[in-house]
Amino acid sequence: SQKIEQNSEALNIQEGKTATLTCNYTNYSPAYLQWYRQDPGRGPVFLLLIRENEKEKRKERLKVTFDTTLKQSLFHITASQPADSATYLCALDRDYGQNFVFGPGTRLSVLP
Amino acid sequence: NAGVTQTPKFRVLKTGQSMTLLCAQDMNHEYMYWYRQDPGMGLRLIHYSVGEGTTAKGEVPDGYNVSRLKKQNFLLGLESAAPSQTSVYFCASSQLGQGLMNTEAFFGQGTRLTVV
Repeated sequence: SQKIEQNSEALNIQEGKTATLTCNYTNYSPAYLQWYRQDPGRGPVFLLLIRENEKEKRKERLKVTFDTTLKQSLFHITASQPADSATYLCALDRDYGQNFVFGPGTRLSVLP
Repeated sequence: NAGVTQTPKFRVLKTGQSMTLLCAQDMNHEYMYWYRQDPGMGLRLIHYSVGEGTTAKGEVPDGYNVSRLKKQNFLLGLESAAPSQTSVYFCASSQLGQGLMNTEAFFGQGTRLTVV
């Protein structure tokens, strides 16, 4: 069956450290993968998109990798700050890109 | 530029009542989606539309209907609400980008629906 998993429901790290979140998928063949941030009571907000032929993508303190052999994406936040505390969702394209399927999310808490 | 706007933001229904959630986007996006979000289950796709006048079923379509009569609006209907439909509902839209690839989704603020 098809499945998307994110490494843990919650992750706590100290301010200044690098947070690494994992997204694993089974029985999907995405052309691209996206990461979103969701704050309590708000809708998800797009952060980064990485295509299947790209190994790595960066945006400011964010870095995403995509390994189609391992069927895994890693999402890194370097020099983390308390303001980075939120739930992070990965999403895969599906049905020839007509819609997206989301992972359950990882709630990140950056402790001062 | 409002982006994606959902109405209402909160609603309490009695079992068996009906209601319509409205989603409006002002970005001229082709694709629109309705998701529900429940604790521990993430976002699940209810229905989606790839253009005006078209709709398609997602992962959890039972008990819901949708219509896309105008490009900017996507309506989600509950004909006979059940307690299992208590959830937070999100509408989203997206656009075809380079190479006709679907791009990032823009989400509304959500509608918190409680069915008692």
